[in-house]
Amino acid sequence: KQEVTQIPAALSVPEGENLVLNCSFTDSAIYNLQWFRQDPGKGLTSLLLIQSSQREQTSGRLNASLDKSSGRSTLYIAASQPGDSATYLCAVARLGNAGNMLTFGGGTRLMVKP
Amino acid sequence: GAVVSQHPSWVICKSGTSVKIECRSLDFQATTMFWYRQFPKQSLMLMATSNEGSKATYEQGVEKDKFLINHASLTLSTLTVTSAHPEDSSFYICSARDPVHSGNTIYFGEGSWLTVV
Repeated sequence: KQEVTQIPAALSVPEGENLVLNCSFTDSAIYNLQWFRQDPGKGLTSLLLIQSSQREQTSGRLNASLDKSSGRSTLYIAASQPGDSATYLCAVARLGNAGNMLTFGGGTRLMVKP
Repeated sequence: GAVVSQHPSWVICKSGTSVKIECRSLDFQATTMFWYRQFPKQSLMLMATSNEGSKATYEQGVEKDKFLINHASLTLSTLTVTSAHPEDSSFYICSARDPVHSGNTIYFGEGSWLTVV
């Protein structure tokens, strides 16, 4: 059974810092890995998706890497802003069913202070 | 882009009653949708896979008679929580993928907060 762990569980940083959020998974037979953002009481917003054959994806100030063999992914946030405050979830898609079925980590609650 | 919409966003119901949550894919057809549940400060847990025109597939530990899923059309799946109890209070969220236009990106609805009193 796939298990996804995110470290740290919570993070508070001053504005402007570069951040690294970590995600690890136990079963390397994955379809893809996706990073989401969740604001309090809201749904999920997809940030970055990395296919199992890829090593990283970038979007603006965000960069996500994937090391499938070691079961790790990192989300790098450059020059953090107060608007980045949210919970960040990583989710691993199982093989089969076209990668629709996700197993989520517990999330990292990020607070960026002005 | 693809949008998945849920309704209602918030619902309060009395213990013992049933409540229905809708999940719609607004501009694409989804043969498969997924229902998740999230308790406060915990991550999302997959409850079931909703299949258009056939029975839903439930994850281990999820009571299919309590959480009724109907996927009657290619754009609508419903989750009915029957005989709701306070412990069913949670954030329910659905997801779907638009394989035609959006590749492997999965889109989530806004979520529905259920409070059972």
